[in-house]
Amino acid sequence: AAGVIQSPRHLIKEKRETATLKCYPIPRHDTVYWYQQGPGQDPQFLISFYEKMQSDKGSIPDRFSAQQFSDYHSELNMSSLELGDSALYFCASSLAAGRETQYFGPGTRLLVL
Amino acid sequence: DQQVKQNSPSLSVQEGRISILNCDYTNSMFDYFLWYKKYPAEGPTFLISISSIKDKNEDGRFTVFLNKSAKHLSLHIVPSQPGDSAVYFCAASAFIQGAQKLVFGQGTRLTINP
Repeated sequence: AAGVIQSPRHLIKEKRETATLKCYPIPRHDTVYWYQQGPGQDPQFLISFYEKMQSDKGSIPDRFSAQQFSDYHSELNMSSLELGDSALYFCASSLAAGRETQYFGPGTRLLVL
Repeated sequence: DQQVKQNSPSLSVQEGRISILNCDYTNSMFDYFLWYKKYPAEGPTFLISISSIKDKNEDGRFTVFLNKSAKHLSLHIVPSQPGDSAVYFCAASAFIQGAQKLVFGQGTRLTINP
């Protein structure tokens, strides 16, 4: 079965640079979630989209923005990167924003030097 | 404020025995609970879930028990196999203001010894 696809899998950036992470949800899933997981921590919710509209916002810094496109894929744009942004970024998708299981992608490991 | 707590950071179990992972939550608005398994450098993989209207859900070797009055759930794996060694995250979900909120526990690292 098709899973959530994330690209790139690994990314190395310098401080103050920008980064764009992409997420392709499971086919027919219309809701996308972004999470950040720091070393030794649990995943922290950043932002979610349902039918291309932002549905919820968590602890996403103002330097980050995201959107969901007409094909339901989503992009997380990160600007003015800081050392503390180094983390695993997971995307998850679900079928509608209800009591539905979220399925996670493999993650993008971002390292900011 | 940790709304979902997994108080055991690690657990070591003999192969073939039962593994019991525990999770506590504080917010009574949570009505759907999930367990995810995570290997290093991979995303969390959905294992099993339970709705708040049930107290038990079983899927093969995995059983999740929910005690709503105690705000406690547990994951039982029996028999435990070496491939079960991973970090297990408990997650609680609530549908609030048109969006699903999923809150994770800190994870428990399960090691199955041969």
